Amino acid sequence: EPEVTQTPSHQVTQMGQEVILRCVPISNHLYFYWYRQILGQKVEFLVSFYNNEISEKSEIFDDQFSVERPDGSNFTLKIRSTKLEDSAMYFCARDGRGTGIGEQYFGPGTRLTVT
Amino acid sequence: AQKVTQAQTEISVVEKEDVTLDCVYETRDTTYYLFWYKQPPSGELVFLIRRNSFDEQNEISGRYSWNFQKSTSSFNFTITASQVVDSAVYFCALSEQNNAGNMLTFGGGTRLMVKP
Repeated sequence: EPEVTQTPSHQVTQMGQEVILRCVPISNHLYFYWYRQILGQKVEFLVSFYNNEISEKSEIFDDQFSVERPDGSNFTLKIRSTKLEDSAMYFCARDGRGTGIGEQYFGPGTRLTVT
Repeated sequence: AQKVTQAQTEISVVEKEDVTLDCVYETRDTTYYLFWYKQPPSGELVFLIRRNSFDEQNEISGRYSWNFQKSTSSFNFTITASQVVDSAVYFCALSEQNNAGNMLTFGGGTRLMVKP
């Protein structure tokens, strides 16, 4: 059983366009995270989200990025004006213990290709 | 600032060989957590293990074992009798308790290729 599902699995967009990546947790969790992985590179933290608020964000997570949980279920990552360098795999994760310090379980990822 | 280093970028072994993947970390926190994840060719990230900084007992799970040594800031991962299905990229990661957002800092990964 997947911990979280992500849609779409692959998104192709043109530079300058807005994209929204979605994460749907299987059950009711409070702690969520977004990471990205540029092809062949390491996994990089973007943002953590607790109880409908950002608790931490990295330098990568600039004003072009935003997260929200609009309906209390789906957790979204929006990139307002995509750049070529935003091409990467984006992973959503949830905390495994409900404490915010547990292991994180990752979704299958969304591959974003910016042309 | 926290940092994780996986010096081995690629390792190639023949099936049934034992292999150890190295992980060295840096942190200023006294309480932290260490993780290993597996990324098979399909691309998902699979959680393998979490260790607390205050628990230095080594752990064994089937063919997998982990050696945590605080004195050398290392958390190495050994696969015994490797199999082709073990071929994947393995990531070591660290999070600090004092970190409000529980971010994971990943190492660069080690690509393990197990040949039949």
